[in-house]
Amino acid sequence: SSELTQDPAVSVALGQTIRITCQGDSLRTYFANWYQQKPGQAPLLVVFGKNNRPSGIPDRFSGSRSGNIASLTITGAQAEDEADYYCNSRDSRTDHLLFGTGTKVTVL
Amino acid sequence: QVLLQESGPGVVTPSETLSLTCSVSGGSIRGHYWSWIRQPPGKGLEWIAYISHSGSTDYSPSLKSRVSISVDTSKNQFSLTLHSVTAADTAVYYCARTDVDTPFVDYFDIWGQGTLVAVSS
Repeated sequence: SSELTQDPAVSVALGQTIRITCQGDSLRTYFANWYQQKPGQAPLLVVFGKNNRPSGIPDRFSGSRSGNIASLTITGAQAEDEADYYCNSRDSRTDHLLFGTGTKVTVL
Repeated sequence: QVLLQESGPGVVTPSETLSLTCSVSGGSIRGHYWSWIRQPPGKGLEWIAYISHSGSTDYSPSLKSRVSISVDTSKNQFSLTLHSVTAADTAVYYCARTDVDTPFVDYFDIWGQGTLVAVSS
């Protein structure tokens, strides 16, 4: 399929670890990239490629892939990590760029 | 550092044409690809199109019939035109620098702040 599917919402206790997943056939070929979006702000790239972080992104953010599922892991979630998270990749059938459906992360 | 700023009308009349410009500062538009992305209120992100500094383009299949993207390297700007708008085109429109050169990795590393465009009579 040409979709990237994410769980609509997940929650994590402060300081605990959370894994956010992105599922789609294209992920067998293309890496997922991950964006954090806080209310009223533009998305911010947090992980790209195999497991790369832009400058300034804390090392508690990491990425991985297994088969057709990509994951963003936040190890030791902080209150400021509460946000919407989106994955993106390229559709392996049409070769067009696309975004995942988004996951709202709540830090308890 | 590289900054992107969207500009354009905040309100567009149904059936008319939406036109937005993204101004790039702090760096050259050359050597990169540039995208438009939108987000309807309360909904997710949708990639619309990208263009290279030399004019190579790609469009989302769902919008291709109504969309055009262009670049003006002399002004360090690129633009979006969306024809025959409806209420469904109401969204925050973002411009973003796009990396499509790395094999199997295509991402948006720098974003503008976004501009809300409402389609309303």
